[in-house]
Amino acid sequence: DAGVIQSPRHEVTEMGQEVTLRCKPISGHDYLFWYRQTMMRGLELLIYFNNNVPIDDSGMPEDRFSAKMPNASFSTLKIQPSEPRDSAVYFCASSKIGTVNTEAFFGQGTRLTVV
Amino acid sequence: DQQVKQNSPSLSVQEGRISILNCDYTNSMFDYFLWYKKYPAEGPTFLISISSIKDKNEDGRFTVFLNKSAKHLSLHIVPSQPGDSAVYFCAASASSNDYKLSFGAGTTVTVRA
Repeated sequence: DAGVIQSPRHEVTEMGQEVTLRCKPISGHDYLFWYRQTMMRGLELLIYFNNNVPIDDSGMPEDRFSAKMPNASFSTLKIQPSEPRDSAVYFCASSKIGTVNTEAFFGQGTRLTVV
Repeated sequence: DQQVKQNSPSLSVQEGRISILNCDYTNSMFDYFLWYKKYPAEGPTFLISISSIKDKNEDGRFTVFLNKSAKHLSLHIVPSQPGDSAVYFCAASASSNDYKLSFGAGTTVTVRA
C-alpha cells in the first residue's frame, strides 16, 4: 500500500483565495483525520470521519473551513476565503477500527502558505 | 484547551546517552497512549504505544512508562543515536469511546555526536 497520499505537497496562495487540500486514505481504513501543525500548538485535530461520516468537527477553527469525504478513498479540506493565519502544515491521517492499536498513519502533509 | 502537554519544547543529548521525553495529560478517559516521531518535511510516524492496563512497554531502544495516578508518561531512548534527532509527539486516545488522537505540541530532540 502506498500509504496516505496528500496533494498538493506545497500550496502558496493569496489571501482571500479558496484553497482545497486533498487526501487519499489507506484502503480499508475506517477513520480519516485532518490535523493542522503549527509551531505554537503542535498538532491540532480539525475534524475526523468514520466510514465517510463526519464525527467531530469541533476543531475546525471557523466557518471558512469545511471538509468532505464523498467516498471511502477521498477527502478534501477546503478553506474559503483563506487568510495568512491559516498558513501551516496540514496532515491527513487514517486508521482502522477493530484493532487494539489505535495507531493512525499520516500522509506527508501539505504546507500551506497564504500571502 | 490542550489535554496532552509536552512542556519541554526541546532536548539536546549526547550520542550514546539516554533521552527522556515527558508528557502529561488531563483527561482521565484516555486509555491508550502513543509516541510519534517526525522528521522535517515528513508526516509523523508511529513509534511506540502503551495501554492503560500496563505501566511499561519496551521496543528495542525505546521504552514508554505510564504513571496513571500522576497522569504522566515518558519515553526513554537508550542509547540515543544521531538518527533519533526529530520531533517527538505524545498522543492519547479514549479508545473505548472513539479513535481520535489528541497530540501534544512536540519535543524536538537533537542528538549530538
